[in-house]
Amino acid sequence: GAGVSQSPSNKVTEKGKDVELRCDPISGHTALYWYRQSLGQGLEFLIYFQGNSAPDKSGLPSDRFSAERTGGSVSTLTIQRTQQEDSAVYLCASSFLGQGADTQYFGPGTRLTVL
Amino acid sequence: AQSVTQLDSQVPVFEEAPVELRCNYSSSVSVYLFWYVQYPNQGLQLLLKYLSGSTLVESINGFEAEFNKSQTSFHLRKPSVHISDTAEYFCAVSETGAGNMLTFGGGTRLMVKP
Repeated sequence: GAGVSQSPSNKVTEKGKDVELRCDPISGHTALYWYRQSLGQGLEFLIYFQGNSAPDKSGLPSDRFSAERTGGSVSTLTIQRTQQEDSAVYLCASSFLGQGADTQYFGPGTRLTVL
Repeated sequence: AQSVTQLDSQVPVFEEAPVELRCNYSSSVSVYLFWYVQYPNQGLQLLLKYLSGSTLVESINGFEAEFNKSQTSFHLRKPSVHISDTAEYFCAVSETGAGNMLTFGGGTRLMVKP
């Protein structure tokens, strides 16, 4: 079946602009996760959804970052007033039940470059 | 809070040689342990995971990892590597509770040379 998909695959934006990154999880997966992969910080957790609720937003780096999930499916990560330090690969993952033992399936990522 | 340390950022090795990629973790609670692999220009894929039971877990492509609770380690090994194993390997942990995120180590780049 189809895996996790993300769009766009690449995004180049100017400092100060807003961007939206989209994630389509595997059908039937209740949990959805956003991570960020950057050279300086490695792989960092951003936010987790169980259904449409986000019980854990602890990784969002600032109030410029927000995310939502609708219909228990698609999720959008929004970064407002982008800064150069936001440049990274943003990864989305989904898992069946959202429990610690679950395998998380990752999408190919969105490479964000802020000029 | 948990943390994961991968001591080697790069490991060069010749084809058909054995390899060990080291991973140590710290956590105040019980954890599950994972190894993910990222091949060049591809996404992260699960290689293997330890949940409970036998401390030695294996993957389908010849890798194995052993959970050592006393040393808080989960080192990844392969007795004979191939060129196609060239990739970045990430060790990760999650807490044994519902809905927890993965905490990743910094990654180890395995470079297999002919």
